[in-house]
Amino acid sequence: GQQLNQSPQSMFIQEGEDVSMNCTSSSIFNTWLWYKQDPGEGPVLLIALYKAGELTSNGRLTAQFGITRKDSFLNISASIPSDVGIYFCAGSDSNYQLIWGAGTKLIIKP
Amino acid sequence: NAGVTQTPKFQVLKTGQSMTLQCAQDMNHNSMYWYRQDPGMGLRLIYYSASEGTTDKGEVPNGYNVSRLNKREFSLRLESAAPSQTSVYFCASRYRALDEKLFFGSGTQLSVL
Repeated sequence: GQQLNQSPQSMFIQEGEDVSMNCTSSSIFNTWLWYKQDPGEGPVLLIALYKAGELTSNGRLTAQFGITRKDSFLNISASIPSDVGIYFCAGSDSNYQLIWGAGTKLIIKP
Repeated sequence: NAGVTQTPKFQVLKTGQSMTLQCAQDMNHNSMYWYRQDPGMGLRLIYYSASEGTTDKGEVPNGYNVSRLNKREFSLRLESAAPSQTSVYFCASRYRALDEKLFFGSGTQLSVL
């Protein structure tokens, strides 16, 4: 089945560092979504993007809807320990079904 | 506000056994979904119910059946479990199929030996 290409697969960072991750697709999406999954829990929506070129922030998180509508980016500034988890991108296709990336696992070095 | 509730949290089965995963939501959502999550694979849709009374296959439906019991409840059944069905299963819901925002339960960790 179709999947988004999400990178990197995992990131080891120091507390306080900025984080960047992205998703690309061969298909155009109408909506891009970013979710975070804490260990032992289900994913929780962080940011939703509805228009090409849109830049949206949620606290220290900023996400962008690529102008080609085939990609999206998520940045986390000044990472803190509670940022650890798996970040998923998802694109909403013309049938409103969500297509998911494989996730980026964020690990903060002690 | 409980949101989406899944039971059980953990389950171990032997090959060939059957079981039903339960899911209930209290947000008056119309659409409900079952996903499985495997390492490096992200989330894959098994079955979904766009509204009460309807169910449709997702990306990986083989070996599963579902029942939309009422607006609140959507169950997933494994008739004859196989080791390939070892996974974490998530139930999710949203107000309607056109709504992007999906709300997830906390998952069921299933191991088939």
